[in-house]
Amino acid sequence: EADIYQTPRYLVIGTGKKITLECSQTMGHDKMYWYQQDPGMELHLIHYSYGVNSTEKGDLSSESTVSRIRTEHFPLTLESARPSHTSQYLCASSEYRIAMGETQYFGPGTRLLVL
Amino acid sequence: ELKVEQNPLFLSMQEGKNYTIYCNYSTTSDRLYWYRQDPGKSLESLFVLLSNGAVKQEGRLMASLDTKARLSTLHITAAVHDLSATYFCAVAPLGGGADGLTFGKGTHLIIQP
Repeated sequence: EADIYQTPRYLVIGTGKKITLECSQTMGHDKMYWYQQDPGMELHLIHYSYGVNSTEKGDLSSESTVSRIRTEHFPLTLESARPSHTSQYLCASSEYRIAMGETQYFGPGTRLLVL
Repeated sequence: ELKVEQNPLFLSMQEGKNYTIYCNYSTTSDRLYWYRQDPGKSLESLFVLLSNGAVKQEGRLMASLDTKARLSTLHITAAVHDLSATYFCAVAPLGGGADGLTFGKGTHLIIQP
């Protein structure tokens, strides 16, 4: 079982502010992901990383950016928050297990409200 | 482009009944996942299905995969209130490794006492 931590869990912020959503995992997984989920809707992949210094954009275009300087840390930054960024952001990491394939483990999520 | 469709999207059922949730996907895949999400919570992994004909069971939930039909089912037997949640299926592209998953819209399941 992977331990994935996200902070803050809830964030209410004004338009135009810069925010960073933190994600860390303690299992040494190389692969990490950010998903965006609107209430009651499906998850959309916005960023992923294969390891240190690797970042890729996902299927859903996002104005956010990510960095991967350390294996355990994968922060997501919005330079100028807008109401359209209001959503839940879920971080995940994955590992390959024999007989299970690539398995993703999700953090508790950050619920963001931009006023 | 990989697309994943779940149905039904909403389901209200009574305790003790059986029901099946369906997950169709559009392109060949070798991995399908089922997740549970409680309101305001993160996702909990339920099943990973890796091959055609795979069947896995945990308690009152049983998942199966037919890769030829590109269909997975999640069957609920003798439902209980605690199973109320949103259930997502997610598919990885064939050979996609760690490129992330494509999720269905989820099935919002309410089980009435």
